[in-house]
Amino acid sequence: AQRVTQPEKLLSVFKGAPVELKCNYSYSGSPELFWYVQYSRQRLQLLLRHISRESIKGFTADLNKGETSFHLKKPFAQEEDSAMYYCALRYNQGGKLIFGQGTELSVKP
Amino acid sequence: GAGVSQSPSNKVTEKGKDVELRCDPISGHTALYWYRQSLGQGLEFLIYFQGNSAPDKSGLPSDRFSAERTGGSVSTLTIQRTQQEDSAVYLCASSLRSRRGTGDEQYFGPGTRLTVT
Repeated sequence: AQRVTQPEKLLSVFKGAPVELKCNYSYSGSPELFWYVQYSRQRLQLLLRHISRESIKGFTADLNKGETSFHLKKPFAQEEDSAMYYCALRYNQGGKLIFGQGTELSVKP
Repeated sequence: GAGVSQSPSNKVTEKGKDVELRCDPISGHTALYWYRQSLGQGLEFLIYFQGNSAPDKSGLPSDRFSAERTGGSVSTLTIQRTQQEDSAVYLCASSLRSRRGTGDEQYFGPGTRLTVT
C-alpha cells in the first residue's frame, strides 16, 4: 500500500540554523510528491511540489527515487517558518493525496 | 476570488446523533475532496468527486459516513450515529481539474471542527 512517513513529530531549531524535515514514501510506481504547510490559525496550503523543482520561501525538496525520500530543506530557518508541515503523495494521474503524519517545526529566536 | 468555504466552523454533537458538514468549492472547480485531520491519525483521505464520475469512496472509515455533491458544486458529508472517535477537523479541498497538470493544485477550506461528546 502507498504510505508516507514523517519520522519527526516535532523539530525545534534556532533562527538561522539549517533545517531538514524528513519524508519517506512507499510506492513502486512514479509518484508525485508535495509539501503542504499549515501556519497557526491558517488553512493548509501547498508549499512546493517535486515536478516544479522550484524554491519557495527558501525551501527546496529533491525527490530521491533510490531512497524513496522527499526531504524538505532550508539553509537558514526563520521564525516565520514555524508551522506544521505535511508531506503528501499522489500516485495516479490525479485525485487523492496520501499525507504523512506531519512535522511541527518550531524556530526559536 | 473566494476560496473554499465550509460550514459550520465548529460543531458539537452528542454521541449517536447525525451531523451534516457542508463544503462550497471554488467556482468552476470540477474536483472536490474530503479529508479528516485528527490527533494520532494525521490527515486522512475520505472521499473524492470528479465531475460526473462515480466518487472514489475508498477512504470512508465506515458505512456511517457518506457524501454527496449536488449539481457538481456544493458537497455535504454526513456522519450517522456519531461516535467519539469521529471527533476531528474535517477538511474540504477543490481543484480545477484532478488529472496531473496545470490546475490540479488542491485548495483547502478552513475545516469544520467536530466534537462528539
